[in-house]
Amino acid sequence: KNQVEQSPQSLIILEGKNCTLQCNYTVSPFSNLRWYKQDTGRGPVSLTIMTFSENTKSNGRYTATLDADTKQSSLHITASQLSDSASYICVVSVRRGSTLGRLYFGRGTQLTVWP
Amino acid sequence: SQTIHQWPATLVQPVGSPLSLECTVEGTSNPNLYWYRQAAGRGLQLLFYSVGIGQISSEVPQNLSASRPQDRQFILSSKKLLLSDSGFYLCAWSGTGAATDTQYFGPGTRLTVL
Repeated sequence: KNQVEQSPQSLIILEGKNCTLQCNYTVSPFSNLRWYKQDTGRGPVSLTIMTFSENTKSNGRYTATLDADTKQSSLHITASQLSDSASYICVVSVRRGSTLGRLYFGRGTQLTVWP
Repeated sequence: SQTIHQWPATLVQPVGSPLSLECTVEGTSNPNLYWYRQAAGRGLQLLFYSVGIGQISSEVPQNLSASRPQDRQFILSSKKLLLSDSGFYLCAWSGTGAATDTQYFGPGTRLTVL
């Protein structure tokens, strides 16, 4: 069964601290993995996308890692800011036929950054 | 550049009333279009997708329906809302072929059914 599990469910950190969010998946056949940031009441916005051959990808203070062998990904946030408070969603894509990909969403990690 | 719009932003409706949510995309042609629902504390659930005008695929049986009357317009409807229809509804678009892996989301509509 194709599933995407994220941990922790929620996380509170102090401003300036680092944190790491985890994503485990059982999706197959794997196409790519993407981390989205979703501010409260807004649509998700893509942070990073990683294909099978990529191990690490950075976007500013966000660094994503991917271990395709163990089917695990992490999102590391450095020097957190208040604006990082959001839900972070792990999304894994499979290729279904030649016309339409299918996305599998984790439930997200709710990150709260306190001043 | 491409933009995606949804309206209304928020909606409060009584049980049994009809529903119509609209989504439009600008700056691209022949996109794939998607409707998702996000219940509180849950992940996104794909409701419908469309690969072309008048072509609608339903992912889960439910009280809702979708239509695509124009290339860049996607509408989510219901004849009679249920309490369980409450949630955050997101419209998304993608390219076709290999570009379907990348979906861009609209701002969402918060629906509360009372």
